[in-house]
Amino acid sequence: QAVLTQPPSASGTPGQRVTISCSGSSSNIRNKFIYWYQQVPGRAPKLLIYRNYQRPSGVPERFSGSKSGTPASLVISGLRSEDEADYYCAGWDDSLSGWVFGGGTKVTVL
Amino acid sequence: QVRLVQSGAEVKKSGASVKVSCQASGYDFTAYYMHWVRQAPGQGLEWMGRISPHNGATNYAQRFQGRVTIITDTSMTTAYMDLNTLRSDDTAVYYCATAGAGADYEAFEYWGQGTLITVSS
Repeated sequence: QAVLTQPPSASGTPGQRVTISCSGSSSNIRNKFIYWYQQVPGRAPKLLIYRNYQRPSGVPERFSGSKSGTPASLVISGLRSEDEADYYCAGWDDSLSGWVFGGGTKVTVL
Repeated sequence: QVRLVQSGAEVKKSGASVKVSCQASGYDFTAYYMHWVRQAPGQGLEWMGRISPHNGATNYAQRFQGRVTIITDTSMTTAYMDLNTLRSDDTAVYYCATAGAGADYEAFEYWGQGTLITVSS
């Protein structure tokens, strides 16, 4: 059972907006930065968002992150077929003294 | 550019141990934590632990305490993850990951290609 909670699936048609939530507790999400990773099946994960809302160089602007208390959210604006993948949130947990991941959300482009 | 190259797939018997290597290049190896993350078939990502190559300090996820050891060889810029007393549910792809002078000093920005460890009875 993952420490951070995400919906198992989300979907949308091309061009639509999809939101993925990530909830946790005071020992992780509430007081820590949240990171988001994208994983295409068979490939290593890719960093999508760091420190709640920052995008690494090369990540399209249609990916955005936010965090106001809990839950944190990843928004894909203008969904594209290549966005079909699994998405994971992650952060440091003070109680566990370690990094924790969400269970992952599978995004399907209809 | 930053590269993490892992050792190849292995098949192990239950009760055995496995050691996976991760050779890093393209950044100051001692400046950033090296993490190990695993993914069982069809499952999510699970953090196993990390090491500071600078001083060898480690943190392990509670569920792996006592079974996992992470070390580095700074002369070879290589990290190793050793998992003992293997069980069938340790069958997974094991990844090393690091921030490696990327966008954020804590993010897992660079990942190895993954190493499939299959545990058979």
